Amino acid sequence: DIVMTQTPLSLSVTPGQPASISCKSSQSLLYSDGKTYLYWYLQKPGQPPQLLIYEVSNRFSGVPDRFSGSGSGTDFTLKISRVEAEDVGVYYCMQTIQLRTFGQGTKVEIK
Amino acid sequence: QVQLVQSGAEVKKPGASVKVSCKASGYTFTGYYLHWVRQAPGQGLEWMGWINPDTGGTIYAQKFQGRVTMTRDTSISTAYMDLSWLTSDDTAVYFCTREDYWGQGTLVTVSS
Repeated sequence: DIVMTQTPLSLSVTPGQPASISCKSSQSLLYSDGKTYLYWYLQKPGQPPQLLIYEVSNRFSGVPDRFSGSGSGTDFTLKISRVEAEDVGVYYCMQTIQLRTFGQGTKVEIK
Repeated sequence: QVQLVQSGAEVKKPGASVKVSCKASGYTFTGYYLHWVRQAPGQGLEWMGWINPDTGGTIYAQKFQGRVTMTRDTSISTAYMDLSWLTSDDTAVYFCTREDYWGQGTLVTVSS
């Protein structure tokens, strides 16, 4: 099974400041079709997860451009350029190259 | 607009089974796999498996094999997740998801 490891597990950010979350996979997520199968989700309190980023760096419909994803192979990063109050919640990475596995989650709160 | 609407909360006794439904609308039901993901209280997300609504084919996470059954009824655009031999460890919110869109979740509580 592919193991997904996120760091940090929690993050306290001042509004307007940037934030960054790392996700590392135990195997490469690059498939033979040239795509890399890494997703990012945000789960706000009391809500189901919502898709932010698919295939490493593609923002889902309606996702603000302050969210960006990058990385390749086994190392990935989600960046929020300027954190807003509505960004609080738990962020998960997920691999989709071999069944599905989620990272442990990173809780983001506002200072 | 795409919607996945799940059935309501359930309370079950240990050893019982539960069946959660997920009604899809706003898109072609047979065009997208549906996954089931659960979340125990205060915990992270755990993938359980998927169903191909077109063929009915399924893949289950090894942890749930033998205990979970995913089915669908294409006539009413609804997918089902049946989990048997429930224990207290199965107390969780169960989500259906197309991976871009998610149901609202169904709380299953297992308690004697």
